[in-house]
Amino acid sequence: SYVLTQAPSVSVAPGQMATITCGGDNLARKTVHWYQLKPGQAPVLVVFDDSDRPSGIPERFSGSNSGNTASLTISGVEAGDEADYYCQVWDTYSDHYVFGTGTKVTVL
Amino acid sequence: QAHHVQSGTEVKKSGSSVKVSCKASGGTFGSNAVKWVRQAPGQGLEWVGAIIPIFGTTKSAQKFQDRVTITADESATTVYMELRSLRSDDTAVFYCARGGFNVNDDDPFDLWGQGTMVIVS
Repeated sequence: SYVLTQAPSVSVAPGQMATITCGGDNLARKTVHWYQLKPGQAPVLVVFDDSDRPSGIPERFSGSNSGNTASLTISGVEAGDEADYYCQVWDTYSDHYVFGTGTKVTVL
Repeated sequence: QAHHVQSGTEVKKSGSSVKVSCKASGGTFGSNAVKWVRQAPGQGLEWVGAIIPIFGTTKSAQKFQDRVTITADESATTVYMELRSLRSDDTAVFYCARGGFNVNDDDPFDLWGQGTMVIVS
């Protein structure tokens, strides 16, 4: 089955940039979405279709996808961005939705 | 932020079943599919299955296909996920999420429920 690999954790100071990567075989051939999870809250879609932002999501959130790696970048990180972030694709070969292993973003 | 409204925490015995509901934010899911995702304690997200409520079309992850049934009411306002033969490793938060218009496509899960904790003892 298709595997998406993320670093377990990323730490960043307020105002700095956080980059969360998602690795998968030929990932650029797939469409990547990113979700933010906070304890006790409904997950939120923050980037879809590799690099598009849903309405209401700050411009600080951006995405890219090339080769074997997709990235979610948070510019000017704020305390409220502290959360777990997951990438996700639909794998046509297995006909399954696949999530990355998740990255915990800590704001120092 | 808006979210679908899910039923409350469930505590179940091993071997029993649980049925979780998800009521659409805004009243109806329309033509959209609804996906179910779970997260075990300390673990990542895992897709469970999906349904297109107005058609009743369903698809389950291979891991759950023998134990899960996903249904919807006729008005496409509420979706249900039943998991049978519960085991301790089924302890997890179960989320519903609105997706695209198919049970299998590359559209994002754009609006989620708040999650339902299922505890299996």
